[in-house]
Amino acid sequence: NAGVTQTPKFRVLKTGQSMTLLCAQDMNHEYMYWYRQDPGMGLRLIHYSVGEGTTAKGEVPDGYNVSRLKKQNFLLGLESAAPSQTSVYFCASTDGHGYGYTFGSGTRLTVV
Amino acid sequence: EDQVTQSPEALRLQEGESSSLNCSYTVSGLRGLFWYRQDPGKGPEFLFTLYSAGEEKEKERLKATLTKKESFLHITAPKPEDSATYLCAFGGVTGGGNKLTFGTGTQLKVEL
Repeated sequence: NAGVTQTPKFRVLKTGQSMTLLCAQDMNHEYMYWYRQDPGMGLRLIHYSVGEGTTAKGEVPDGYNVSRLKKQNFLLGLESAAPSQTSVYFCASTDGHGYGYTFGSGTRLTVV
Repeated sequence: EDQVTQSPEALRLQEGESSSLNCSYTVSGLRGLFWYRQDPGKGPEFLFTLYSAGEEKEKERLKATLTKKESFLHITAPKPEDSATYLCAFGGVTGGGNKLTFGTGTQLKVEL
């Protein structure tokens, strides 16, 4: 009963470095999301997916790319990290039937 | 523009002192109003979904209500373990993807 698993939990990057955050869910959910959470800003949607092989832009997509090659996995990539991308990143999934999202435990990313 | 505002930003209660958290929303078509609980260092945890004005849902010491413009999370006789940040979010009928727009949360502290 893992739910939504995010890796890594913590990461420090230097400006300009790249990395990929992995989200895996074992609930056979169609919909998956990446949010970032910053103090005073709440959760803001970066990208989302409505099914395997699909992706779409959210509210704050610039500087990020995503892929959903397998239904259970949703990857978030930072091609060239910037200090403004220092944040806590949350992945979430849902079956779309109104029971709300299931969130992962988050990845705390610091870009120096 | 669709938006959601939560108040107060922070609330400190004594154990047993009941109160309410407010979530005001503006959306062209409401698909659902969601409440989540978030503990420090963790992802949000789903509490309730409300779909139409007049609807109420309860879980232990929490009761969520919905009007056409607001939702309230009533906390009756709170305990220290109710301390957390409470987030509300709405899903609109436009845009697709079962996306949620989150408020910035109310940080609740319940003291002995």
